[in-house]
Amino acid sequence: AQTVTQSQPEMSVQEAETVTLSCTYDTSENNYYLFWYKQPPSRQMILVIRQEAYKQQNATENRFSVNFQKAAKSFSLKISDSQLGDTAMYFCAFMKPLNSGYSTLTFGKGTMLLVSP
Amino acid sequence: NAGVTQTPKFRVLKTGQSMTLLCAQDMNHEYMYWYRQDPGMGLRLIHYSVGEGTTAKGEVPDGYNVSRLKKQNFLLGLESAAPSQTSVYFCASKVGAGYEQYFGPGTRLTVT
Repeated sequence: AQTVTQSQPEMSVQEAETVTLSCTYDTSENNYYLFWYKQPPSRQMILVIRQEAYKQQNATENRFSVNFQKAAKSFSLKISDSQLGDTAMYFCAFMKPLNSGYSTLTFGKGTMLLVSP
Repeated sequence: NAGVTQTPKFRVLKTGQSMTLLCAQDMNHEYMYWYRQDPGMGLRLIHYSVGEGTTAKGEVPDGYNVSRLKKQNFLLGLESAAPSQTSVYFCASKVGAGYEQYFGPGTRLTVT
């Protein structure tokens, strides 16, 4: 079974600064997908960024980028130019490849990010 | 296009009562999921379905039953609610060949 570990229960950053959220995972699979989801106070789950394990290039979405280290099984999220609207719980998640018979998500316990003025 | 909707948004039950949570999606997605979210635990998969008429157990299925009689609906049932089932429940769906799961707004359930 896969496990996803987020070792930072809470983090804080000031507006316009950069922050990095950590995630490690354990799997015996070679191909898989990794995700970062954001859950603001509204409770809605929002996909932030996705990384395919077979891609060496790190994914980037505007101010959000990842540092994917496959050998180390590490998948961190960097938020640049932090904004007040980035305040949310952030979840790292793992998904087996689609040809494995099913495609369910395994989530970490989350990191609460607070962005202050 | 409403996406994924959940009914009800809030509910309070007494121990031993039963209820059904409804998840509906209008995106013609094959896969549907039920998760529960507890403080400090992240989201954990309860049951899921890969198509109409099929269901499968997830990580924490005990105390819950599900049905997928129509492609667009996925029902989660609690036959005899327990305080341990107090949680926020999320439904999600996705295209069979897709990566992204689309989540509903959640249902906050309290069992007293």
